Amino acid sequence: DIQMTQSPSSLSASVGDRVTITCRASQGISNFLAWYQQKPGKVPKLLIYAASTLQSGVPSRFSGSGSGTDFTLTISSLQPEDVATFYCQNYNSAPWTFGQGTKVEIK
Amino acid sequence: QVQLQESGPGLVKPSETLSLTCTVSGGSVSSGSYYWSWIRQPPGKGLEWIGYIYYSGNTNYNPSLKSRVTISVDTSNNQFSLKLTSVTAADTAVYYCARGAPYYYDSSGYLYWGQGTLVTVSS
Repeated sequence: DIQMTQSPSSLSASVGDRVTITCRASQGISNFLAWYQQKPGKVPKLLIYAASTLQSGVPSRFSGSGSGTDFTLTISSLQPEDVATFYCQNYNSAPWTFGQGTKVEIK
Repeated sequence: QVQLQESGPGLVKPSETLSLTCTVSGGSVSSGSYYWSWIRQPPGKGLEWIGYIYYSGNTNYNPSLKSRVTISVDTSNNQFSLKLTSVTAADTAVYYCARGAPYYYDSSGYLYWGQGTLVTVSS
C-alpha cells in the first residue's frame, strides 16, 4: 500500500509569508494527488487535484506542484482565513490514503 | 449540484455493528465512473480512508479495516451504506461519505462530501 507522508506536521507563519507543505508518496503515483483544506469544525475542501490543477473558486495564492513521489503545496501569501489543516491524498490506486495533515497557524 | 447526507445512530455499543447510510441527491450512484466512499476522522486526528464502492459494484477497503468493513449500494434509493463490525472506542469518529472522481475527470479526488456524522462507541 502507498503511504503518504507530509511535513511539517504543523507550522506557524506571519500574514503575507510564503508557506510550503510537502507530501511524499512511498511509491510513484504519477500526478494522481489531491490537496484538501479543513478548517476547524468543517468538512474538508478540495483545493488542488492532479497535483497542480486549482479547483474552481480556490484563490490563486494556492498552488501545487510535483509528480511521482514528491509534491508541494504552496501558499504564496498567507492570509488569516488560511488557518486550517491541509491534507494530501493519493488516488492513483486503492487505498486512497491521506497524509497525516499539516496544521497551519498565524504567528 | 451533488449533495450527500449521512444518517445513522450516533451511539453504538462496543462489539456491536456500526451502520451508516449516505443518501445522494443531484446525481446517481449507478451512473458515471465514481467511487462512492467512506472516510472517517477521530476527534482531534486526521482523515482515514475507509473504502469505496465503484459504480459497477466493485469494492475496495482500507487493509487495516478490511476484515470488519462492508460497503454496499442501494440503487433504488440512491444510497450507499457502511457497516463496521465489532466496534471499539477506537472507532469513535466523524464519518463522512464522499464521491470520488477518477484521475481522468475534472476535479478528481473528493469534491463532494457529506456534512459528517459523529459516531461514538460507548456502553
